Amino acid sequence: AQSVTQLGSHVSVSEGALVLLRCNYSSSVPPYLFWYVQYPNQGLQLLLKYTSAATLVKGINGFEAEFKKSETSFHLTKPSAHMSDAAEYFCAVSAGLTGNQFYFGTGTSLTVIP
Amino acid sequence: NAGVTQTPKFQVLKTGQSMTLQCAQDMNHNSMYWYRQDPGMGLRLIYYSASEGTTDKGEVPNGYNVSRLNKREFSLRLESAAPSQTSVYFCASSVGAQQYFGPGTRLTVT
Repeated sequence: AQSVTQLGSHVSVSEGALVLLRCNYSSSVPPYLFWYVQYPNQGLQLLLKYTSAATLVKGINGFEAEFKKSETSFHLTKPSAHMSDAAEYFCAVSAGLTGNQFYFGTGTSLTVIP
Repeated sequence: NAGVTQTPKFQVLKTGQSMTLQCAQDMNHNSMYWYRQDPGMGLRLIYYSASEGTTDKGEVPNGYNVSRLNKREFSLRLESAAPSQTSVYFCASSVGAQQYFGPGTRLTVT
C-alpha cells in the first residue's frame, strides 16, 4: 500500500526566501512521486515527477525535489520565493503507471509575504 | 487542444436530486479518473477507468456511479445527492505516470 504525508498544512515565507515543502511517503514498491500545484479555483498542474531516473528532479517555475530513499522523502524546494508561488501544493505517490494507484497528500498552502 | 474539460463548473442541488457531471479529454488517453477534493483531505479517488468499457471503485465510491461512454468521455452520476457530497470534483486522464486534471466542478448539496 502507498500513502503520502505532507508536514505542515500551511507554510509562510517571505518573498525571496527559500521555499521548503515536506513530503514523506510509504510504498511497498519503488514509487513514482509527484508534486502538483493548484492555484485558486483551478485544477491541479504537474510541477515535477520522479520516475526512478535522477534523484534530483527539476520542475517548472524554478522548483525542484530530491528523492531520498533512506528517508522516504521527496521534499519540494525553491531557492527564492516569488509572490506568484502562493498556491496549494500536493505531493502524490504511485506504485504504477495506471490505475487507482495515485495517492495524494492533504496539501500544503503556501503564503508568500511581500 | 482543450485537454480535460468538465461541465458544469458550478451546481447547487437539493438533497435527493440527481445529476451527472460530465468529463471529456481530447488527448487520446486510456485512463480516466474522478476525484473529490475536500478541505484538509487532499484528493480522494472515487472511480477510475483503465480503458473504454472498464471501471473500478476507488477510495470513496459510495453514492456515485460512473460511465465510460467512449475513450473520450467519463461521466459521474449522483443518483440521490446528500449534503456529504458537497465538494469540488475533479476529472483527470493519464498517460504513463502523468495525470492531467480538468478545472473542476464545485457542487453544493443543500
